[in-house]
Amino acid sequence: EIVMTQSPATLSVSPGERATLSCRASQSVSSNLAWYQQKPGQAPRLLIYGASTRATGIPARFSGSGSGTEFTLTISSLQSEDFAVYYCQQFNNWPPYTFGPGTKLEIK
Amino acid sequence: QVQLVESGGGVVQPGRSLRLSCAASGFTFSSYGMHWVRQAPGKGLEWVAFISHDGNNKYYADSVKGRLTISRDNSKNTQYLQVNSLRAEDTAVYYCAKDFYGFWSGYYGPGDYWGQGTLVTVSS
Repeated sequence: EIVMTQSPATLSVSPGERATLSCRASQSVSSNLAWYQQKPGQAPRLLIYGASTRATGIPARFSGSGSGTEFTLTISSLQSEDFAVYYCQQFNNWPPYTFGPGTKLEIK
Repeated sequence: QVQLVESGGGVVQPGRSLRLSCAASGFTFSSYGMHWVRQAPGKGLEWVAFISHDGNNKYYADSVKGRLTISRDNSKNTQYLQVNSLRAEDTAVYYCAKDFYGFWSGYYGPGDYWGQGTLVTVSS
């Protein structure tokens, strides 16, 4: 089973600043990686698939990069609505489709 | 627009069974695989099961294999998750999600649309 790790566990950033979130896979997942955003009491929302392609309706300030075992989600200029928990998920070697433990992005 | 509505959750005693439903609309249900993902209170996301568009292929997380059964009825645009021998650790919000890729792609991938979830609480 592929194990996904995310760092940091919590990231404190001021509105308007850039946020960089990391995700690592225990073995290569090629580009078969997705990022989700989840706000309290809400379902996850797909942000990025294929490591770098934004899902429908996702603002351009969200960008994904990486391949193999190292991935990054960057939010270029944080808006108030971006403070949430972010999860990565691999869909290369499955089952299972493993998720990372999440990074909580909080207001500094 | 795509809508997924889960139902069937509630408070259940340990050892009992429960069937969750996910009613889909706004897309051609029979063309897409479907997932179930759960989230224990205050915890992260855990993928538990997937079913292909035609129901012929089913996959489960090892943690639930043997106790969960995923199924679908394309005539009713609904998928199901039967959970047997419930344990305290099954307490979670259960989400259904539509797979991003249609059957014609030959791929299975992330969930691009999610329901709001149904809460299952296992307690005596």
